[in-house]
Amino acid sequence: SAVISQKPSRDICQRGTSLTIQCQVDSQVTMMFWYRQQPGQSLTLIATANQGSEATYESGFVIDKFPISRPNLTFSTLTVSNMSPEDSSIYLCSVEEGVREQYFGPGTRLTVT
Amino acid sequence: KQEVTQIPAALSVPEGENLVLNCSFTDSAIYNLQWFRQDPGKGLTSLLLIQSSQREQTSGRLNASLDKSSGRSTLYIAASQPGDSATYLCAVQGGSEKLVFGKGTKLTVNP
Repeated sequence: SAVISQKPSRDICQRGTSLTIQCQVDSQVTMMFWYRQQPGQSLTLIATANQGSEATYESGFVIDKFPISRPNLTFSTLTVSNMSPEDSSIYLCSVEEGVREQYFGPGTRLTVT
Repeated sequence: KQEVTQIPAALSVPEGENLVLNCSFTDSAIYNLQWFRQDPGKGLTSLLLIQSSQREQTSGRLNASLDKSSGRSTLYIAASQPGDSATYLCAVQGGSEKLVFGKGTKLTVNP
């Protein structure tokens, strides 16, 4: 299975600032996904990122707030823009392999003060 | 809209006990179902994936079953150990690649 790393593992940010989260995979993958897990909640898909095309966002998530880059088949970034305390969450990237099995990175724990 | 429910929300058992975690989903038109484990503050570890044409999958002490027509899956853990303590998440995948997650069952195995 793919090995996925994320940077940073955690961060504390001030309201109004932006944070870019990096996701690196040890193999080439077509599809990468970004999820959010708010405190005490389950995971919600933010967007799907394919290399060479615009990310596809789920209902309730917009590109201006969560811009995503996918420059190649092993790397993606998610930016959380103009942060508010409501953005405090764990952000996870995942990839799909084989029979559409998804594997997740270790997550980025974001706290907005 | 697909909804996934996991019961119970929390479970505490003594070491050595066999246990069952339940997952139900509202739309039976799924491609597959995945069970994950999440340790506190960590990412997700994939445990088992059951394709829609399968009835069950086994890995070590874990056995997952799927009844697609009734919208149910169970995760059976045999001879539980303290190291099994974690939150277990069920997720279903429909026609798109999107996973829809339940809220999880927090399992505590007491020595």
